[in-house]
Formats: sequence, C-alpha cells, structure tokens
Amino acid sequence: SQKIEQNSEALNIQEGKTATLTCNYTNYSPAYLQWYRQDPGRGPVFLLLIRENEKEKRKERLKVTFDTTLKQSLFHITASQPADSATYLCALDISGGYNKLIFGAGTRLAVHP
Amino acid sequence: DAGVIQSPRHEVTEMGQEVTLRCKLISGHNSLFWYRQTMMRGLELLIYFNNNVPIDDSGMPEDRFSAKMPNASFSTLKIQPSEPRDSAVYFCASRQGGYTFGSGTRLTVV
Repeated sequence: SQKIEQNSEALNIQEGKTATLTCNYTNYSPAYLQWYRQDPGRGPVFLLLIRENEKEKRKERLKVTFDTTLKQSLFHITASQPADSATYLCALDISGGYNKLIFGAGTRLAVHP
Repeated sequence: DAGVIQSPRHEVTEMGQEVTLRCKLISGHNSLFWYRQTMMRGLELLIYFNNNVPIDDSGMPEDRFSAKMPNASFSTLKIQPSEPRDSAVYFCASRQGGYTFGSGTRLTVV
C-alpha cells in the first residue's frame, strides 16, 4: 500500500541544537515533496518545496534533502529556537501534474530553552 | 493564510442537520483543495478543483458530502445529513508554489 511515514514520537531538543525530522514514503514516485509547519488551531504553512531532481534545498535556518532512491526526505532546523516548536508535516504530490498533495501525519517538535 | 478565508471558524450542529462550509480566495487561483484533519487520520484530501472543475473527488467519504466551486474565488463543502463522525477540522487550500491554507473550520456534530 502507499503511505507516508513521519516520526510519530515528539522530538524534544535543546535550544541552539539542530533538529532533524524524517519523512519516508513507499510506492510513490513524487514529482516533488514539500514541508509544512502547523501550529495549534491554525492551518499548515508552507515552508519548502524540493523537486525530484534536487538533492538539497536551503532557506535561512532550514535545510531539506530528498533521496528518491531511499524514498526519504530529511528536514533540518539549525540553531533551533523555542519559537520553532510546532508540528512539521511532509507532503507529496502524487499526481504528476494535477497537484494532488497527500500529507504525512506530522512530527511534533519541542525546543526547550 | 491571508489569501484563503474560511467561514465559519467554528460550527456546532446536531446530527442530521445540513452543514455548509465556505472558502473564499482573495486572489483568483486555478486550483482549490478541501482537506479534513483529525487526530486519528491526519490531513486527508477530500476533493480538488482545477479551473473550477472537480478533478478528483475520490477522497470524499460518502454521498453525504458534496463540493462546488461556482467561480474562481469561492467554494462550498456541504454535508447533508451530518453525523458525529464528521467532526473534524476542515481546511481549504489554494496553490501558489506551495499551498496556502485557510485557518480551517472546526466542525462538531453532536
């Protein structure tokens, strides 16, 4: 069956450290993968998009890698801050053009001072 | 999420009643998506439109659910009759590179 897996356990880290979140998928060949942040009571907010022919993408303190052989994406937040505490969702386009985006369950990140 | 406005923010209704959720896009986009989020199942895609035409409604759980997009800036999701298991947060989203989500409608069916 097709599925997207993210760490179900919450990730607790100390302020200033690098947070690394994992997204694994099976039986998909996505044209691109996206990462979102969701705060309680709010809708997901788009962070980064990485295409299948890109290995890595960066935006300020964020870095995303995409390994289509391993079917895995890693999401890194460097120099983490308490304000980074949220749930992070990965999402795949599985329709190759019609933008059918499906989401993982998300990983909750807590950054402690 | 200023580009996508959903109403109402909260809706509490009795089982069997009709519920209509609304989504307004501030600037016209050619793609619109309805998602449902619950603790058990996470974010599920219900239906999406391209150029006001429904492209894929395979995620709509039952015939009780219907969606329309009469123009490029407005869509409705209707549940008739509603059931307690429909309780969830319903999101509308449009696509501009990444997706822009509204703040959601929290629906509680009692």
